[in-house]
Amino acid sequence: DGGITQSPKYLFRKEGQNVTLSCEQNLNHDAMYWYRQDPGQGLRLIYYSQIVNDFQKGDIAEGYSVSREKKESFPLTVTSAQKNPTAFYLCASMGGKVTEAFFGQGTRLTVV
Amino acid sequence: GQSLEQPSEVTAVEGAIVQINCTYQTSGFYGLSWYQQHDGGAPTFLSYNALDGLEETGRFSSFLSRSDSYGYLLLQELQMKDSASYFCAVMDTGRRALTFGSGTRLQVQP
Repeated sequence: DGGITQSPKYLFRKEGQNVTLSCEQNLNHDAMYWYRQDPGQGLRLIYYSQIVNDFQKGDIAEGYSVSREKKESFPLTVTSAQKNPTAFYLCASMGGKVTEAFFGQGTRLTVV
Repeated sequence: GQSLEQPSEVTAVEGAIVQINCTYQTSGFYGLSWYQQHDGGAPTFLSYNALDGLEETGRFSSFLSRSDSYGYLLLQELQMKDSASYFCAVMDTGRRALTFGSGTRLQVQP
């Protein structure tokens, strides 16, 4: 079945450590996105990529980094520079039509 | 930039009809979308309006008025499983990325 897979579902990190969240899609979509969601809040755009080997900062990119070496993969690294990293992270992809985004099941990151 | 405003919470009873409004400020967008998210889950696509007017998909309908910078999601024959958060979103013509509203939490009561 086609879809987006995020792993792990839950992640614990010590302060000062970098951590990488995985996002893989087999929908053959060009565009991929990372969003952050805090409790009771909407989704805020961290980074996005419209094509392989190219990505752009979203609204809250500070403390995060990404890569897009393959069409299927868009990993997000939460660096130690992110001051408040505890959140729910959602990866999404979109095909040629701008009508519908497909989301992964999310990774809940907790800093301990 | 884009900004979207929605009510934070709405409560309704089973079988009723509820309308969730969304007002937006945008420099340019393709259309207005609606997503549903159950607690702890992923957002799922519900509806999209590219043009002004009403779009109907089963129990859900969505409306857009570009001249009023306004849209709404209408849920009919409410069921308990409709209890979730609902987000409106616009696709920016410049960066081709969705900007979401803060979400409306719908509680359906027996």
